[in-house]
Amino acid sequence: DAGVIQSPRHEVTEMGQEVTLRCKPISGHDYLFWYRQTMMRGLELLIYFNNNVPIDDSGMPEDRFSAKMPNASFSTLKIQPSEPRDSAVYFCASGHNTDTQYFGPGTRLTVL
Amino acid sequence: DQQVKQNSPSLSVQEGRISILNCDYTNSMFDYFLWYKKYPAEGPTFLISISSIKDKNEDGRFTVFLNKSAKHLSLHIVPSQPGDSAVYFCAASLGTGANSKLTFGKGITLSVRP
Repeated sequence: DAGVIQSPRHEVTEMGQEVTLRCKPISGHDYLFWYRQTMMRGLELLIYFNNNVPIDDSGMPEDRFSAKMPNASFSTLKIQPSEPRDSAVYFCASGHNTDTQYFGPGTRLTVL
Repeated sequence: DQQVKQNSPSLSVQEGRISILNCDYTNSMFDYFLWYKKYPAEGPTFLISISSIKDKNEDGRFTVFLNKSAKHLSLHIVPSQPGDSAVYFCAASLGTGANSKLTFGKGITLSVRP
């Protein structure tokens, strides 16, 4: 298996632009997670899905952030409009349960 | 407020010696704890876990100790190897199931000197 696939690996954009991050989970995994990593706050859970249904989005910082999972093999995290404080590494992870999660390589987002 | 705290941001250890990485938590309802390891430009990978019904779990060179009364856990790596140099995240959850989720600490950067 190729593992969790994220794209793009790096994204540089200007403040106010829309950013879309993509994730393909490991086939057969029921859970999908989106995390954000920053120096100040570490690894924060933004939202997670079970069988394509959002279960907990309490970590989504504000309405500028949205996530979708239209099918079992694809999810997106969108930021609109983006701001410099959104700069971080965004990880997608998947798993058969909420404990042992398999992380993708991450997308490093820089908002200028 | 951080419910899982890794207060030391970094640790440097000589190869062959023991590495002890510490983690504290504030929520007494946490009952499952995990350590993840992360190399640069990669995502975290699961390393070892422990249930609250145990106080120790060992896997090769890695041992996790849990002290529930102190709300403290630690990861011991013996002997430490240069390939262990990475960021280590402590995580905790409220059991397993559809509504449990992992709460991570900020991570500790371990450097093992040859």
